[in-house]
Amino acid sequence: AQRVTQPEKLLSVFKGAPVELKCNYSYSGSPELFWYVQYSRQRLQLLLRHISRESIKGFTADLNKGETSFHLKKPFAQEEDSAMYYCALSDGGSEKLVFGKGTKLTVNP
Amino acid sequence: DSGVTQTPKHLITATGQRVTLRCSPRSGDLSVYWYQQSLDQGLQFLIQYYNGEERAKGNILERFSAQQFPDLHSELNLSSLELGDSALYFCASSTGTITGELFFGEGSRLTVL
Repeated sequence: AQRVTQPEKLLSVFKGAPVELKCNYSYSGSPELFWYVQYSRQRLQLLLRHISRESIKGFTADLNKGETSFHLKKPFAQEEDSAMYYCALSDGGSEKLVFGKGTKLTVNP
Repeated sequence: DSGVTQTPKHLITATGQRVTLRCSPRSGDLSVYWYQQSLDQGLQFLIQYYNGEERAKGNILERFSAQQFPDLHSELNLSSLELGDSALYFCASSTGTITGELFFGEGSRLTVL
C-alpha cells in the first residue's frame, strides 16, 4: 500500500539557518513525489515535484529511491517560509495523491 | 476568482443528519477530487471524478457519496453523520493531464455535534 510518512509534526529553525523537512514513502513501483505548501490563510498549493528537478523559492528535493525518501531542503530559511508542508505521492497510474500528515515549519527571526 | 470554489465554508449540524458540500472546479479542469482532513490526520483521499465519471475511490465510507454534474461541479453527500465525521473537507481540481498538479479549494469545515 502507498504510504507517506513525515516524521516531524513541528520544525522550528532560525532565519538564515538550513532547513530540511523529511519525507519517507512506501511504494513498490515508480512513484512520483511532490511537495505541497499551505501558507497562513492561503490554499494548499503545489511547491515542487521531483520529476521537474526544479528549485522553487530556494527549496529543492531529491528523490532517493534507495532510502525511499524525498526530503525538502533549503540552505537559508526565511521567515516567509513558515507554513505547513505536505509531502505527497502519486503512483503514476492515477492522478490521485497520497499525502503525509504534514510538517509545520516555523522560521524564527 | 476562477479558482476552486467550495460552499459552504462552515457547517454545523447534528448527528444523524445529512449534508451536501459543493465544489466548483477551476475553469477548464475536468477532474475533481475530494479529501478529508480530520484533527491530527493528513489529507485522506475520498474520491475522484473525471468529466462526470468516477475515476478513483479511496477510503470513502458507504454513508458518503459524490457525483460530478455535466457542468463539472461536484457535490459530496454525507449522511447519517457521526461525531467522527467532523473534519475539513477539501475539493481539488486538475486538468487531468499533469500528474500531481492539484488546485485546492479553501475547504468546508464540518462540525457534527
